[in-house]
Amino acid sequence: DTGVSQDPRHKITKRGQNVTFRCDPISEHNRLYWYRQTLGQGPEFLTYFQNEAQLEKSRLLSDRFSAERPKGSFSTLEIQRTEQGDSAMYLCASSFPGTSGSYEQYFGPGTRLTVT
Amino acid sequence: AQRVTQPEKLLSVFKGAPVELKCNYSYSGSPELFWYVQYSRQRLQLLLRHISRESIKGFTADLNKGETSFHLKKPFAQEEDSAMYYCALRPFRGAQKLVFGQGTRLTINP
Repeated sequence: DTGVSQDPRHKITKRGQNVTFRCDPISEHNRLYWYRQTLGQGPEFLTYFQNEAQLEKSRLLSDRFSAERPKGSFSTLEIQRTEQGDSAMYLCASSFPGTSGSYEQYFGPGTRLTVT
Repeated sequence: AQRVTQPEKLLSVFKGAPVELKCNYSYSGSPELFWYVQYSRQRLQLLLRHISRESIKGFTADLNKGETSFHLKKPFAQEEDSAMYYCALRPFRGAQKLVFGQGTRLTINP
């Protein structure tokens, strides 16, 4: 499978613990995005990278959240001191300009986080 | 602020019947509109975008700027159309984030 991959697929953690998720984009894609999806809602934008630069962050991304893309390839999303409200599906997507410059976003399968 | 509203959380139609999934948006500029689909146990994928004016899997969607709507339509539903459908907005062509609606679960009954 040459699509976007995410690891782990499921994570159960206790409140107060730190968790880290990984996203591997499609290899030639220079842009990478993180979204969060809670039950019954559509995905909500968290942040995006162009190569290794983090260019936009949502207000949803509190101080407990940090994302990195150190070499412009894979990315990590860390949540410190998890809270029950952090329980959600965390989606990663990647894109490249394409022939039309459309930057179509290709999504990964997501990491489902449950905070107990 | 940008907002996308899908008024129906659930929609059920019979095979062969027409389907219309509603999407309304609020944004003062000239956004790009998309429909994404998620089939059971699969990842979210792009179905169509308004600038392409294309028909994918028999689905079409027309952007109505006057009514700020981008409804998804198909004249004859098929069982394999059962899925979760999300309408999404990109504020302008160079923007990166997508703003999604809550989604509509479409079920096609045999």
